[in-house]
Amino acid sequence: QVLLVQSGAEVKKPGASVKVSCKASGYIFSNFGVTWVRQAPGQGLEWMGWISAYNGNTNYAQKVQDRVTMTTDTSTSTAYMDLTNLKYDDTATYYCARMTSSDDAFDIWGQGTMVTVSS
Amino acid sequence: DIQLTQSPSSLSASVGDRVTITCRASQSISTYLNWYQQKPGKAPKFLIYAASSLQSGVPSRFSGSGSGTDFTLTISSLQPEDFATYYCQEFYRTPPVTFGQGTIVEIK
Repeated sequence: QVLLVQSGAEVKKPGASVKVSCKASGYIFSNFGVTWVRQAPGQGLEWMGWISAYNGNTNYAQKVQDRVTMTTDTSTSTAYMDLTNLKYDDTATYYCARMTSSDDAFDIWGQGTMVTVSS
Repeated sequence: DIQLTQSPSSLSASVGDRVTITCRASQSISTYLNWYQQKPGKAPKFLIYAASSLQSGVPSRFSGSGSGTDFTLTISSLQPEDFATYYCQEFYRTPPVTFGQGTIVEIK
């Protein structure tokens, strides 16, 4: 069974950083890309970027590109999303998802990680 | 960047109804259009890719059509488990990747 299991909820102060993990199982991790999508409370889906688990190449959304870093650890089949200098409007549920083999859709999703930015 | 506009933003329907959701792109995207379903408190679920291809395991009452700028998601006979929010997503000349704003399907 293909699964993505994310780390638990976080509460951070403005200006802090958060690192969310996404552990994959049930498939060959390095054969698929991983993307990150966030959803503010009551809002729609916002793509943040993706990373190739094969070679580590990344593409980030312009809105967060100065503050986000996506990495992978192939030894543990885990992807990470690090967001720095947190702002109140970074409060959201953060999802990782596996990209399809053709790199044109997101077929398997993690359960989501709630990140709350509050003073 | 490509913009996706879904209509309606929400709809009320009864079990057994035929439901159609539209997604319009700001420029032609060929058939690089996917659909997802999201239930409250849950992650999105992948339904349809390349505008009209059903993802494995998705019930056949779901179908997609369209190309260029206009796309539709149709549920032929709405079931209780289909009440959810539906999002379209484009994958043309990415990055970036864009989602529509979502359509909420509620129980009448």
